[in-house]
Amino acid sequence: QQPVQSPQAVILREGEDAVINCSSSKALYSVHWYRQKHGEAPVFLMILLKGGEQKGHDKISASFNEKKQQSSLYLTASQLSYSGTYFCGTERAGSYQLTFGKGTKLSVIP
Amino acid sequence: DVKVTQSSRYLVKRTGEKVFLECVQDMDHENMFWYRQDPGLGLRLIYFSYDVKMKEKGDIPEGYSVSREKKERFSLILESASTNQTSMYLCASSFLTREQYFGPGTRLTVT
Repeated sequence: QQPVQSPQAVILREGEDAVINCSSSKALYSVHWYRQKHGEAPVFLMILLKGGEQKGHDKISASFNEKKQQSSLYLTASQLSYSGTYFCGTERAGSYQLTFGKGTKLSVIP
Repeated sequence: DVKVTQSSRYLVKRTGEKVFLECVQDMDHENMFWYRQDPGLGLRLIYFSYDVKMKEKGDIPEGYSVSREKKERFSLILESASTNQTSMYLCASSFLTREQYFGPGTRLTVT
Protein backbone atom coordinates (compact mmCIF):
# COMPACT_ATOMS: atom_id res chain seq x y z
CA GLN A 1 0.00 0.00 0.00
CA GLN A 2 1.40 3.36 -1.05
CA PRO A 3 2.31 5.89 1.65
CA VAL A 4 0.20 9.03 1.65
CA GLN A 5 1.92 12.29 0.83
CA SER A 6 0.56 15.73 1.60
CA PRO A 7 0.09 18.23 0.20
CA GLN A 8 -0.31 17.06 -3.40
CA ALA A 9 0.99 20.38 -4.67
CA VAL A 10 2.37 23.60 -3.25
CA ILE A 11 3.45 26.92 -4.73
CA LEU A 12 6.07 28.99 -2.92
CA ARG A 13 7.78 32.28 -3.50
CA GLU A 14 11.55 32.29 -3.27
CA GLY A 15 12.66 32.39 0.34
CA GLU A 16 9.52 30.78 1.77
CA ASP A 17 9.49 27.52 3.71
CA ALA A 18 7.57 24.31 3.02
CA VAL A 19 6.86 21.00 4.72
CA ILE A 20 5.97 17.80 2.88
CA ASN A 21 4.54 14.92 4.85
CA CYS A 22 4.63 11.19 4.24
CA SER A 23 2.51 8.78 6.22
CA SER A 24 2.34 4.98 6.18
CA SER A 25 -0.06 2.50 7.74
CA LYS A 26 2.69 -0.11 8.06
CA ALA A 27 5.69 -0.40 10.37
CA LEU A 28 8.70 1.09 8.61
CA TYR A 29 12.42 0.42 8.64
CA SER A 30 13.41 3.48 6.69
CA VAL A 31 12.11 6.37 4.63
CA HIS A 32 13.81 7.68 1.49
CA TRP A 33 13.22 11.07 -0.13
CA TYR A 34 13.76 11.78 -3.84
CA ARG A 35 13.25 14.81 -6.06
CA GLN A 36 12.34 14.60 -9.74
CA LYS A 37 12.61 17.58 -12.02
CA HIS A 38 10.47 17.71 -15.13
CA GLY A 39 11.73 15.33 -17.80
CA GLU A 40 14.47 13.93 -15.59
CA ALA A 41 15.01 10.86 -13.44
CA PRO A 42 14.35 10.96 -9.68
CA VAL A 43 17.40 11.93 -7.65
CA PHE A 44 18.11 10.73 -4.12
CA LEU A 45 17.98 13.34 -1.34
CA MET A 46 18.30 11.42 1.92
CA ILE A 47 17.51 8.27 3.91
CA LEU A 48 16.11 8.23 7.42
CA LEU A 49 16.46 5.02 9.37
CA LYS A 50 14.33 3.63 12.16
CA GLY A 51 15.35 5.41 15.33
CA GLY A 52 13.59 8.72 14.92
CA GLU A 53 16.55 10.51 13.43
CA GLN A 54 16.59 13.80 11.70
CA LYS A 55 18.93 14.55 8.84
CA GLY A 56 19.71 17.61 6.87
CA HIS A 57 21.58 18.82 3.87
CA ASP A 58 21.99 22.50 3.24
CA LYS A 59 18.49 23.96 3.64
CA ILE A 60 16.64 20.66 3.19
CA SER A 61 16.11 18.44 6.21
CA ALA A 62 13.81 15.61 7.23
CA SER A 63 12.56 13.77 10.27
CA PHE A 64 11.19 10.28 10.87
CA ASN A 65 8.76 9.49 13.67
CA GLU A 66 8.70 5.70 13.78
CA LYS A 67 5.93 5.57 16.37
CA LYS A 68 3.60 7.39 14.02
CA GLN A 69 5.15 5.91 10.85
CA GLN A 70 5.49 9.41 9.51
CA SER A 71 8.24 11.40 7.88
CA SER A 72 8.40 15.08 7.03
CA LEU A 73 10.65 16.90 4.59
CA TYR A 74 11.48 20.51 5.46
CA LEU A 75 12.58 22.98 2.81
CA THR A 76 13.70 26.32 4.21
CA ALA A 77 14.40 29.55 2.35
CA SER A 78 13.32 27.89 -0.89
CA GLN A 79 15.22 28.51 -4.12
CA LEU A 80 14.03 28.26 -7.71
CA SER A 81 16.12 25.10 -8.03
CA TYR A 82 13.92 23.35 -5.45
CA SER A 83 11.06 23.11 -7.95
CA GLY A 84 10.12 19.57 -8.84
CA THR A 85 8.12 16.62 -7.60
CA TYR A 86 9.14 15.13 -4.28
CA PHE A 87 8.57 11.46 -3.55
CA CYS A 88 8.91 9.57 -0.32
CA GLY A 89 9.73 5.88 -0.51
CA THR A 90 9.08 3.65 2.46
CA GLU A 91 10.89 0.44 3.30
CA ARG A 92 9.74 -2.29 5.65
CA ALA A 93 12.18 -4.36 7.68
CA GLY A 94 13.52 -7.36 5.78
CA SER A 95 12.58 -5.92 2.39
CA TYR A 96 14.84 -4.39 -0.22
CA GLN A 97 12.01 -2.70 -1.96
CA LEU A 98 10.62 0.79 -1.63
CA THR A 99 6.98 1.74 -1.93
CA PHE A 100 6.68 5.28 -3.22
CA GLY A 101 4.01 7.85 -2.53
CA LYS A 102 2.22 9.63 -5.37
CA GLY A 103 4.43 12.67 -5.03
CA THR A 104 4.18 16.34 -4.06
CA LYS A 105 4.67 18.90 -6.80
CA LEU A 106 6.59 21.91 -5.52
CA SER A 107 6.77 25.07 -7.59
CA VAL A 108 8.99 27.94 -6.50
CA ILE A 109 8.32 31.25 -8.20
CA PRO A 110 10.34 34.48 -8.13
CA ASP B 1 29.51 8.54 -10.54
CA VAL B 2 26.98 5.76 -10.67
CA LYS B 3 25.55 5.37 -14.12
CA VAL B 4 22.33 3.59 -14.97
CA THR B 5 21.51 3.45 -18.65
CA GLN B 6 18.39 2.31 -20.45
CA SER B 7 18.34 1.06 -24.00
CA SER B 8 15.84 3.55 -25.41
CA ARG B 9 14.42 6.92 -24.39
CA TYR B 10 11.35 6.53 -26.58
CA LEU B 11 9.74 3.39 -27.95
CA VAL B 12 6.58 2.84 -29.99
CA LYS B 13 5.19 -0.68 -30.29
CA ARG B 14 2.02 -2.28 -31.56
CA THR B 15 -0.47 -4.20 -29.46
CA GLY B 16 0.55 -7.84 -29.13
CA GLU B 17 4.26 -7.28 -29.80
CA LYS B 18 6.90 -8.65 -27.45
CA VAL B 19 8.87 -5.77 -25.96
CA PHE B 20 12.26 -5.81 -24.29
CA LEU B 21 13.48 -2.94 -22.12
CA GLU B 22 17.12 -3.15 -21.13
CA CYS B 23 18.87 -1.59 -18.15
CA VAL B 24 22.59 -1.59 -17.37
CA GLN B 25 24.37 -0.28 -14.27
CA ASP B 26 28.10 0.17 -13.84
CA MET B 27 28.52 0.16 -10.05
CA ASP B 28 28.34 -3.55 -9.23
CA HIS B 29 25.06 -3.05 -7.34
CA GLU B 30 23.28 -6.14 -6.06
CA ASN B 31 19.78 -4.74 -6.36
CA MET B 32 18.02 -3.65 -9.51
CA PHE B 33 14.45 -2.48 -9.93
CA TRP B 34 11.87 -1.76 -12.61
CA TYR B 35 9.18 0.87 -11.99
CA ARG B 36 6.47 2.37 -14.09
CA GLN B 37 5.49 5.98 -13.61
CA ASP B 38 2.07 7.30 -14.54
CA PRO B 39 0.69 10.81 -13.88
CA GLY B 40 -0.84 11.07 -10.44
CA LEU B 41 0.18 7.54 -9.43
CA GLY B 42 3.84 8.04 -8.58
CA LEU B 43 6.38 5.26 -9.01
CA ARG B 44 5.06 1.73 -8.80
CA LEU B 45 7.38 -1.26 -8.51
CA ILE B 46 6.97 -3.94 -11.16
CA TYR B 47 9.81 -6.35 -10.29
CA PHE B 48 13.11 -6.25 -8.52
CA SER B 49 16.18 -8.46 -8.37
CA TYR B 50 18.59 -8.80 -5.47
CA ASP B 51 21.07 -11.09 -7.23
CA VAL B 52 21.77 -12.71 -10.57
CA LYS B 53 18.91 -14.97 -11.61
CA MET B 54 16.91 -13.90 -8.54
CA LYS B 55 13.74 -11.90 -8.86
CA GLU B 56 10.75 -10.90 -6.81
CA LYS B 57 7.41 -9.48 -7.80
CA GLY B 58 6.64 -5.93 -6.91
CA ASP B 59 3.23 -4.31 -6.62
CA ILE B 60 2.14 -4.56 -10.28
CA PRO B 61 3.85 -7.56 -11.95
CA GLU B 62 0.92 -8.66 -14.10
CA GLY B 63 1.75 -8.64 -17.80
CA TYR B 64 5.49 -8.33 -17.19
CA SER B 65 8.45 -10.63 -16.69
CA VAL B 66 12.13 -9.97 -16.03
CA SER B 67 15.51 -11.48 -16.66
CA ARG B 68 18.81 -10.99 -14.91
CA GLU B 69 21.55 -13.18 -16.37
CA LYS B 70 24.41 -10.84 -15.46
CA LYS B 71 24.82 -8.65 -12.41
CA GLU B 72 24.96 -5.42 -14.37
CA ARG B 73 21.96 -6.04 -16.62
CA PHE B 74 18.26 -6.27 -15.81
CA SER B 75 15.68 -6.67 -18.54
CA LEU B 76 11.95 -6.03 -18.44
CA ILE B 77 9.84 -8.04 -20.87
CA LEU B 78 6.31 -7.34 -22.01
CA GLU B 79 5.24 -10.69 -23.47
CA SER B 80 2.30 -9.23 -25.39
CA ALA B 81 2.12 -5.46 -25.17
CA SER B 82 -1.22 -3.85 -24.50
CA THR B 83 -2.32 -0.23 -24.65
CA ASN B 84 -2.63 -0.03 -20.86
CA GLN B 85 1.10 -0.63 -20.66
CA THR B 86 1.78 2.74 -22.27
CA SER B 87 3.85 4.47 -19.61
CA MET B 88 7.24 5.77 -18.51
CA TYR B 89 9.46 2.91 -17.36
CA LEU B 90 12.28 3.63 -14.94
CA CYS B 91 15.09 1.32 -13.97
CA ALA B 92 17.06 1.77 -10.74
CA SER B 93 19.90 0.08 -8.89
CA SER B 94 21.16 0.16 -5.32
CA PHE B 95 23.70 -1.36 -2.98
CA LEU B 96 21.74 -3.30 -0.35
CA THR B 97 19.10 -0.97 1.09
CA ARG B 98 20.85 2.26 0.37
CA GLU B 99 19.87 4.99 -2.05
CA GLN B 100 18.53 4.02 -5.44
CA TYR B 101 20.06 5.41 -8.61
CA PHE B 102 17.66 5.84 -11.49
CA GLY B 103 18.14 5.64 -15.23
CA PRO B 104 16.75 8.29 -17.59
CA GLY B 105 13.59 6.31 -18.33
CA THR B 106 11.96 4.81 -21.42
CA ARG B 107 8.70 6.31 -22.59
CA LEU B 108 6.81 3.41 -24.14
CA THR B 109 3.77 3.94 -26.31
CA VAL B 110 1.70 0.93 -27.32
CA THR B 111 -0.70 1.58 -30.21
